[in-house]
Amino acid sequence: GQQVMQIPQYQHVQEGEDFTTYCNSSTTLSNIQWYKQRPGGHPVFLIQLVKSGEVKKQKRLTFQFGEAKKNSSLHITATQTTDVGTYFCAAGGSQGNLIFGKGTKLSVKP
Amino acid sequence: SQTIHQWPATLVQPVGSPLSLECTVEGTSNPNLYWYRQAAGRGLQLLFYSVGIGQISSEVPQNLSASRPQDRQFILSSKKLLLSDSGFYLCAWDLAKNIQYFGAGTRLSVL
Repeated sequence: GQQVMQIPQYQHVQEGEDFTTYCNSSTTLSNIQWYKQRPGGHPVFLIQLVKSGEVKKQKRLTFQFGEAKKNSSLHITATQTTDVGTYFCAAGGSQGNLIFGKGTKLSVKP
Repeated sequence: SQTIHQWPATLVQPVGSPLSLECTVEGTSNPNLYWYRQAAGRGLQLLFYSVGIGQISSEVPQNLSASRPQDRQFILSSKKLLLSDSGFYLCAWDLAKNIQYFGAGTRLSVL
């Protein structure tokens, strides 16, 4: 079935360092979404990318959708302890549901 | 505005006991509804989804079942829990745009 591969699985950074997580698909995606799950919490929608090559920013977060619409990335500049959590990408499945990546768990050392 | 309620927040159940988790959505009509399970430190596993009353699609065969008795109510059930049913259960809803909104989740421990 359709899969969305996300790397890395874990990332440990020092506060102030940058962080990037990548999402890849073997098939062309109609759109891709990103979610954040804080420790002990539930996933919260961050953003949706639809257009080829699209780049969107939310403060220190930069989201990109590849030109071929098969990959996406989330980059956090100068991480803070509030960025701790697991970041998931998700793509639309063939039956209208979402296919989630396995997530990247970010820990930030103060 | 739309809200999603999920309860209970935590649950400890013995092996072999039944399970009923409830999820309700307010402020929208005819949402798509989803049940996910998340093992500790792992990704989201889609269990069931529903596009309307009485319509349930199962993604993973197991001893769980789901029902949608009303438009904005989604119930996850089991007749006999297994140890492997432990996890974090999340209910979610969306409309046509596929942006999903999750409930706070239920942490189930089967002992």
